[in-house]
Amino acid sequence: SQTIHQWPATLVQPVGSPLSLECTVEGTSNPNLYWYRQAAGRGLQLLFYSVGIGQISSEVPQNLSASRPQDRQFILSSKKLLLSDSGFYLCAWSVRGYRTDTQYFGPGTRLTVL
Amino acid sequence: AQSVTQLGSHVSVSEGALVLLRCNYSSSVPPYLFWYVQYPNQGLQLLLKYTSAATLVKGINGFEAEFKKSETSFHLTKPSAHMSDAAEYFCAVSETRAGGTSYGKLTFGQGTILTVHP
Repeated sequence: SQTIHQWPATLVQPVGSPLSLECTVEGTSNPNLYWYRQAAGRGLQLLFYSVGIGQISSEVPQNLSASRPQDRQFILSSKKLLLSDSGFYLCAWSVRGYRTDTQYFGPGTRLTVL
Repeated sequence: AQSVTQLGSHVSVSEGALVLLRCNYSSSVPPYLFWYVQYPNQGLQLLLKYTSAATLVKGINGFEAEFKKSETSFHLTKPSAHMSDAAEYFCAVSETRAGGTSYGKLTFGQGTILTVHP
């Protein structure tokens, strides 16, 4: 069966510090991968999605970047965090193919920027 | 472009009462529709999905949803609420190209927080 991992689970970082959040998927190959952010009371915002190694699409301009160095690894980064980067970050995966849209989510990372 | 509207950011019911969470969608092509549940500080869990087969879809934990094309709705129901149903619920629609293939992306509603009173 497939599983998705995210770490760390929680993170408190000062403004201006760098960020690296990691997501890995097990039990499947060639998945689509996604990064979402949930800010308080604002629903889910899609940040990035990837259909393959090195292929990243950005949904909104921001202080963050994403990379996919391996097929089942997705990394969310920032060089300098802002207060507005605080939130709950979710990674998700889906099977690539025709109309296979179901996304499966990881447990999330709670990021607090002080 | 597809869109989703969840009517009511907060719904409160008594334990044992009917749960009804409303979702309306907009899509120019036959949609795939989803309901997810999120418990505090956890990821989203798939409750059920509609993929153009039966219009009444049964999911986990006793939930079901009915696809009504004429009303562009996909409301989520459960006959009898349990305390453990307290969570936030998200409706989502898949984004598709005109030919029916998928971008692989979902558009989510803003969520409905369900509170269950004893």
